[in-house]
Order: sequence, then structure tokens, then C-alpha cells
Amino acid sequence: DGGITQSPKYLFRKEGQNVTLSCEQNLNHDAMYWYRQDPGQGLRLIYYSQIVNDFQKGDIAEGYSVSREKKESFPLTVTSAQKNPTAFYLCASSRQKPGQGIDGYTFGSGTRLTVV
Amino acid sequence: QQPVQSPQAVILREGEDAVINCSSSKALYSVHWYRQKHGEAPVFLMILLKGGEQKGHEKISASFNEKKQQSSLYLTASQLSYSGTYFCVSAMGNQFYFGTGTSLTVIP
Repeated sequence: DGGITQSPKYLFRKEGQNVTLSCEQNLNHDAMYWYRQDPGQGLRLIYYSQIVNDFQKGDIAEGYSVSREKKESFPLTVTSAQKNPTAFYLCASSRQKPGQGIDGYTFGSGTRLTVV
Repeated sequence: QQPVQSPQAVILREGEDAVINCSSSKALYSVHWYRQKHGEAPVFLMILLKGGEQKGHEKISASFNEKKQQSSLYLTASQLSYSGTYFCVSAMGNQFYFGTGTSLTVIP
């Protein structure tokens, strides 16, 4: 079955470390997204990519980096510059660009990152 | 640019109906609706497009008023499984924007 796989499910990071969250999809979707969710709040866009080797910053990109070397993969690195990284991170994909079609997002199951 | 949802929270008894509203300050091309259960990823419910095309869930309906830049989600004869946080998502330009969220709790 097609879907999005995020790993790991839980991740603990020491202060000052960089960590990378994995996101892989086999849906043949062009667009991929990373969101951050804090307790009791909505989702905020970190980065998105609409095509291989291209990506754009979302609303809260500072302290994060991404790459899109393959259509299927969109890893997110949380750098030491991100001062408050503890959150629930969700990866999503969609077949079409926003405003172009009738498909919504498919989400991965999320990665819960905690700074220790 | 974040859509505003109302109410922020609602508690229903099984079988009751609910309406969740979503308002945007900008013109909308499309509106999506998602439900998220605690600790899980959001699940796609429905999409409404400018011009009336709709794709969605068999037991939940929605409306989209382009002129008022509003969408409403209608849940009828609610079930316990409807509990969760509902988000509307608006598509503007090249980005999606998640709404503020509505927590819905259905009790027996």
C-alpha cells in the first residue's frame, strides 16, 4: 500500500546537536511538506518542496534545513540553531500544488522530538 | 493569513449535530478539512473547490462561500469516533495554511 513513512517515531536530542528526521513516500507525489505542531496548537509550515532539487521556506524555517534529492524523500534536519525544537513533526505530501487540484494532504505518522 | 475557526471547542452527546466554521482574510481557491486525534497525524476528510467541485467523506458535509471567504463543516448524528481536533486548511498561492483548530468531544 502507498503511504508516507516517517522515522523515528520518538527522538531525543541533546542541546547543541543536529538531528535528521526521515520522510519517505511511495505515492509518486510531487509536493512534500514539513510541519511542526506544538501542544494544543495547529500546524505551522517549516519547509515545502514542489519538485526535486527545489524547496521553499515556510513560516518557521529558521533553525531547520531540508533536501530533496529524490522525489520520494524529503528529510528534515533540526539544527542546533533551533532554540526550541521540542515538538511533534509531521511530514506530508500531495499530488498537486496548492490551488491546483482536488487532492488533500497525506500525512506520515509523525516524529516526536524531545530535547534532553 | 491563518484561517480562524469557530467554535474553539465543542462538546456533543452522541447523535447530536455540530457545525464548525472557518474564515479567511484572503481569497480562497480551495478549503480542506482534516481531523486529528490526540498524538496522531491529521486525516483528510474533505476538499471544497472554488466553483463547487467537492471530494469528501460520506457522513460529513461541508459548504464553501467564496464571496464571504468562509467554509463550514457539518457533522450530523455525531458518533464517538468523531472526537478530535478539526482543522480547515486554505490554499493560497503556493502554500497551505492550517486553521486555528476546533476541539470536538462526543460523549455517550
